[in-house]
Amino acid sequence: DAKTTQPNSMESNEEEPVHLPCNHSTISGTDYIHWYRQLPSQGPEYVIHGLTSNVNNRMASLAIAEDRKSSTLILHRATLRDAAVYYCILRDSQNTGNQFYFGTGTSLTVIP
Amino acid sequence: DTAVSQTPKYLVTQMGNDKSIKCEQNLGHDTMYWYKQDSKKFLKIMFSYNNKELIINETVPNRFSPKSPDKAHLNLHINSLELGDSAVYFCASSQGRGWNQPQHFGDGTRLSIL
Repeated sequence: DAKTTQPNSMESNEEEPVHLPCNHSTISGTDYIHWYRQLPSQGPEYVIHGLTSNVNNRMASLAIAEDRKSSTLILHRATLRDAAVYYCILRDSQNTGNQFYFGTGTSLTVIP
Repeated sequence: DTAVSQTPKYLVTQMGNDKSIKCEQNLGHDTMYWYKQDSKKFLKIMFSYNNKELIINETVPNRFSPKSPDKAHLNLHINSLELGDSAVYFCASSQGRGWNQPQHFGDGTRLSIL
């Protein structure tokens, strides 16, 4: 799977929007962009995924650059429960091995 | 209601013992997985079952044996535990077997071998 680069940490005030960036300059045409998040001592939690078009769901929005070399996870109103490590992952449509490389992720702190 | 539940959460045992980890999902999914997470945050697939049928069996020592009594359960039995088996093991499920399906994870089982 292609590598991703994310900032190590970010902070946000509660109830404000948060934009979490991810660079994936070596993304291939068959790679989907997935976002998961994880709290300490818990399993990863699926957030959102997309290929080319921007995506919205009840948890977040995913904005994908036109050249697909970067993407941004948008939490519209951060809550204290959103404090977690967020992982941007590329998953290859050709990869039947279902590997997940979580990397270091972005640790999001939400300030009350 | 917990969607994917694993037991036990912590497992400390001695080298050479045999142990099992259980996983159950109440999401109605037809595909379940076992992953091993090493210290570098890499989740490596071990096994996957779709409707009780083994569909992924990565290069894993045959001391590890999965068992799926029904599509809501996928257990992992490990024989003759070794020091290198210490890790966090995650169970997950998805609707459909495609690599691209969102996966729902349990909270992990932290296995420590003494």
